[in-house]
Amino acid sequence: NAGVTQTPKFQVLKTGQSMTLQCAQDMNHEYMSWYRQDPGMGLRLIHYSVGAGITDQGEVPNGYNVSRSTTEDFPLRLLSAAPSQTSVYFCASSYSGTGGQPQHFGDGTRLSIL
Amino acid sequence: DAKTTQPNSMESNEEEPVHLPCNHSTISGTDYIHWYRQLPSQGPEYVIHGLTSNVNNRMASLAIAEDRKSSTLILHRATLRDAAVYYCILRDFNAGGTSYGKLTFGQGTILTVHP
Repeated sequence: NAGVTQTPKFQVLKTGQSMTLQCAQDMNHEYMSWYRQDPGMGLRLIHYSVGAGITDQGEVPNGYNVSRSTTEDFPLRLLSAAPSQTSVYFCASSYSGTGGQPQHFGDGTRLSIL
Repeated sequence: DAKTTQPNSMESNEEEPVHLPCNHSTISGTDYIHWYRQLPSQGPEYVIHGLTSNVNNRMASLAIAEDRKSSTLILHRATLRDAAVYYCILRDFNAGGTSYGKLTFGQGTILTVHP
């Protein structure tokens, strides 16, 4: 099983550029989410989705957009990249978002913005 | 989210058992206890979770205190591949809004395994 697949693994952008981080899962999970991980700050939730067509904001949503047109895919868009968005981004999925469900993470996208 | 407290670091020798403690004195009745780990340059990996009873799976065992104010992750025979940061996380079954599905990662315990 592929699990949660994130692409690209590494990316360098210039300030003001836009890009989309891809996330796909093959486990038919309804719940998907995006986190960013910064040194000393742990992982912080950006956006999440409870199913196709339904998304909502997490704790740090500014500067990011998401959509969920299929169960499998949950892309994260940076509209106008800023140096503060330099981070490692992780996508996760689970059967549902309730407290008793384990979540599966991808290996991350390491993003640098110059 | 209820807070957890873990030691900053622990060390073990290969093939010995490891007991990783976690204190969660403000745990509520609807909080599940989850453990994740993160190996260098990888995403977090689910290890185990439980509510009230001790749990076992192929990776580890979870021992939960009778009053649920603490728990211990047990790796029965540590390997070099178990060197990682281990996170103890509480997840409320009823969490909603911006907390729905959210995992709150603290600083975790850095486990070093010596050959």
